[in-house]
Amino acid sequence: EAGVAQSPRYKIIEKRQSVAFWCNPISGHATLYWYQQILGQGPKLLIQFQNNGVVDDSQLPKDRFSAERLKGVDSTLKIQPAKLEDSAVYLCASSSRFGNEQFFGPGTRLTVL
Amino acid sequence: ELKVEQNPLFLSMQEGKNYTIYCNYSTTSDRLYWYRQDPGKSLESLFVLLSNGAVKQEGRLMASLDTKARLSTLHITAAVHDLSATYFCAVSWNSGYALNFGKGTSLLVTP
Repeated sequence: EAGVAQSPRYKIIEKRQSVAFWCNPISGHATLYWYQQILGQGPKLLIQFQNNGVVDDSQLPKDRFSAERLKGVDSTLKIQPAKLEDSAVYLCASSSRFGNEQFFGPGTRLTVL
Repeated sequence: ELKVEQNPLFLSMQEGKNYTIYCNYSTTSDRLYWYRQDPGKSLESLFVLLSNGAVKQEGRLMASLDTKARLSTLHITAAVHDLSATYFCAVSWNSGYALNFGKGTSLLVTP
């Protein structure tokens, strides 16, 4: 069974630029999560989808971050414009249903200069 | 606000020794997770604990959950170098079971 796929793996941009990350969850997993992991900390939830609907985006900085999962499978997370403090690893996770273990992708390491 | 606290945050131990990592959380939750993360890698699921008194074991690692005390432990038996990694506990906090993570315990096992 293929795992959670993410791309790109690394991205370096300058502040005020835009960036987008892509995630393909495990086949059949209805629930998809985006987490932000700053160096030395645990991951923090940004947004959670159930199929193509948003379950929780209370911790998403909506003035600059957006995410979508239009067909209930792949998801895209966008930052526009990026700030220095957005430098982090962005992790995508999926689970077959609420409460089951979450499987994490390899992450996208973002550096904002 | 749900808080998850791990201790210790850093742990250096000799091979062959035993040790316990503690995870406290501030509000009621019905499940707790342990993950492992190697440097530069993603998170690997170790255990999902679903009820009070739950105990799970895999190799040299054993996890337990006391929901009344809001405490989980990860016990390491006879540590080996391959266990060197960062260990996170996480508690589900919203209706969608999103995870709130602790800061992680960075474990180094030395000869």
